[in-house]
Amino acid sequence: SQQGEEDPQALSIQEGENATMNCSYKTSINNLQWYRQNSGRGLVHLILIRSNEREKHSGRLRVTLDTSKKSSSLLITASRAADTASYFCATDALTSGTYKYIFGTGTRLKVLA
Amino acid sequence: DAGVIQSPRHEVTEMGQEVTLRCKPISGHDYLFWYRQTMMRGLELLIYFNNNVPIDDSGMPEDRFSAKMPNASFSTLKIQPSEPRDSAVYFCASSLRIQGWGSADTQYFGPGTRLTVL
Repeated sequence: SQQGEEDPQALSIQEGENATMNCSYKTSINNLQWYRQNSGRGLVHLILIRSNEREKHSGRLRVTLDTSKKSSSLLITASRAADTASYFCATDALTSGTYKYIFGTGTRLKVLA
Repeated sequence: DAGVIQSPRHEVTEMGQEVTLRCKPISGHDYLFWYRQTMMRGLELLIYFNNNVPIDDSGMPEDRFSAKMPNASFSTLKIQPSEPRDSAVYFCASSLRIQGWGSADTQYFGPGTRLTVL
């Protein structure tokens, strides 16, 4: 079955640096989304990129999608301590007539002040 | 809108007891999802509904788990009987359908229910 996997599993950077997280998946998808989860809280949607898009921006976030490599990356520029959280990619894929929604294993980002 | 509402926020119960988790999706949303999150298994999709109809329940662990959506504004996830391995945070999420794409759009998550089965 399809699985989203993020790498690295954990990332620690200094405030002001850029953070890059990667997501790989196994089957063809419709859309890929990135979510953030602060400790003990629900997930919050960051950005959605469709399978026919290659790059998308939202504020300090930049997402790329390479469907040929079945991978996506999330770049957070000029990181802040408040960006400390876990980041998940989520994919949907049509399997036997039903959409499957799968979240990756997540990257734990720590931004040091 | 108040967002997705889940209750209770915390539940502690003893093995063998019935547990019912509740969710109120955002008004007007077409999809409702139930997830379970643990350190070991991460975030797992249990079941999702589209227009109150269960579409994919392949993630439901076993017959002890059941979910219903009697109307567009309410869903329950029931565990009977509960076991210690069911301890996890259970999230409910809702979304709209992406126009022209046939799948769900951004999922809005509730705050979760932390379940502890002793």
